[in-house]
Amino acid sequence: QLQLQEAGPGLVKPSETLSLTCTVSGGSISNNLYYWGWIRQPPGKGLEWIGNIYYSGRTYYNPSLKSRVTISFDTPKNQFSLKLSSVTAADTAVYYCAAPLIWFGEAMKAFESWGQGTMVTVSS
Amino acid sequence: QSALTQPASVSGSPGQSITISCTGTSSDVGGYNSVSWYQQLPGKAPKLIIFDVTSRPSGISPRFSGSKSANTAFLAISGLQAEDEADYYCNSYTGSSALEGVFGGGTKLTVL
Repeated sequence: QLQLQEAGPGLVKPSETLSLTCTVSGGSISNNLYYWGWIRQPPGKGLEWIGNIYYSGRTYYNPSLKSRVTISFDTPKNQFSLKLSSVTAADTAVYYCAAPLIWFGEAMKAFESWGQGTMVTVSS
Repeated sequence: QSALTQPASVSGSPGQSITISCTGTSSDVGGYNSVSWYQQLPGKAPKLIIFDVTSRPSGISPRFSGSKSANTAFLAISGLQAEDEADYYCNSYTGSSALEGVFGGGTKLTVL
C-alpha cells in the first residue's frame, strides 16, 4: 500500500508562489502503472481537482488553474511537486496529493491513496 | 469545466436507505464510465468507496452501491449506520482526452 506525505510552507504571501512536495513510500514514482494527483479543499468547502502527472511526465490541469499550475517529478527523491503562482486568499486550502487505485494491473480513474493533507494559508 | 451538481444535504434514520445524486453533462458523467465516489469524515482525507460507476474497492461494504443514468450518477447507501455520517463527493473525468478531473460540490449525510 502506497503512503503519501505532503510537505511545504503553511503560510504564503499574496502574489507569491505556493510550493508543495509529495513524498511517496511503498512504491516507486517511476512505476509506469501510476499517475499522481493534487487535489485541494478550501476551509468548509468541497474538493477541487488541481491536476495529474503521468509517468511520461505528461500533465493535465484544471482549466481554471492551468495558467498558474506546474506539477513535476523529482525522481531521485521519489517525490512529485506542485507549484501554484500568483496566489491569492482564494488559494487558501488543505492540499492533498493522491495516487490511483490499481485494479487488476490497471490504474483506475479514482484515487485510492491520499496524503493526510497540508493546510496552506495565503496571507500577508 | 463546471463542478458536478450534488444536493447539499441528505438525511436518513438508522437502517434506512438513501441516495445521493451527481449531475453533470454528456462531456463528463454521461460520456464516460469513470465516476467515482468518496467519503470524507471531518478532518480526514477522502476515502474511495466507488469507482467506475458501480465497482467497490476491496474492503468497502456492499451497503454502498453506485449507478448511472444518462448524465446523472447515484450513490446509494443501505442499512444506514451512525458511522456513515460524513460528506460524500462524486468525481468524473472530462476534457477531450477524458483526463481532466472534476468533483461534485459535496453532500452532507446526516444520520438522524
